[in-house]
Amino acid sequence: GAGVSQSPRYKVTKRGQDVALRCDPISGHVSLYWYRQALGQGPEFLTYFNYEAQQDKSGLPNDRFSAERPEGSISTLTIQRTEQRDSAMYRCASSLGTSGGGVKETQYFGPGTRLLVL
Amino acid sequence: AQSVTQLDSQVPVFEEAPVELRCNYSSSVSVYLFWYVQYPNQGLQLLLKYLSGSTLVKGINGFEAEFNKSQTSFHLRKPSVHISDTAEYFCAVSDYWSGNKLVFGAGTILRVKS
Repeated sequence: GAGVSQSPRYKVTKRGQDVALRCDPISGHVSLYWYRQALGQGPEFLTYFNYEAQQDKSGLPNDRFSAERPEGSISTLTIQRTEQRDSAMYRCASSLGTSGGGVKETQYFGPGTRLLVL
Repeated sequence: AQSVTQLDSQVPVFEEAPVELRCNYSSSVSVYLFWYVQYPNQGLQLLLKYLSGSTLVKGINGFEAEFNKSQTSFHLRKPSVHISDTAEYFCAVSDYWSGNKLVFGAGTILRVKS
């Protein structure tokens, strides 16, 4: 079956521009996660949704970052007024989200969007 | 807050040799541990996970890991590596207090040489 897909795969933008990164989770997966991975580092948690509800946004670095999942499926991570320090790989993951799962569940990752801010 | 340390940034090894990739985590009452692999230009793929029970966990592609609570470690092992195992490996931890987020280590690049 289809895995998690992300678009675009690569995005080059100029400092100050807004960007929108899209994630399409595995069909039927309730939980959706966003991570950011800087070069030479592991992924770092940004935010998490159950259905359309944003359950945890503690990892968003500042108010330029926002995420939504309006219909409980596709999610968009938006970065406003991009800065060079925002350059990174942005990864999306999804999991079943069954009752009692949560922290123990396997998260399935997409290929990522590599963002370069010039 | 949880943290994960992967002690080796790169591990070179010859084909058919054994390998161990080290992972240590900060202490917690109850932790769940994961190893993910990332092949070039692909997403992270789960190798194995420890939730409870037996401390020796077997995963895909012949990998296994051992949970050691006293050492707060979860080292990944393979008795005989192949060229195709060349990839970056990430250890991750979650616990009840962290919510649903995974906390990752910085990764270890495994380079298998012929």
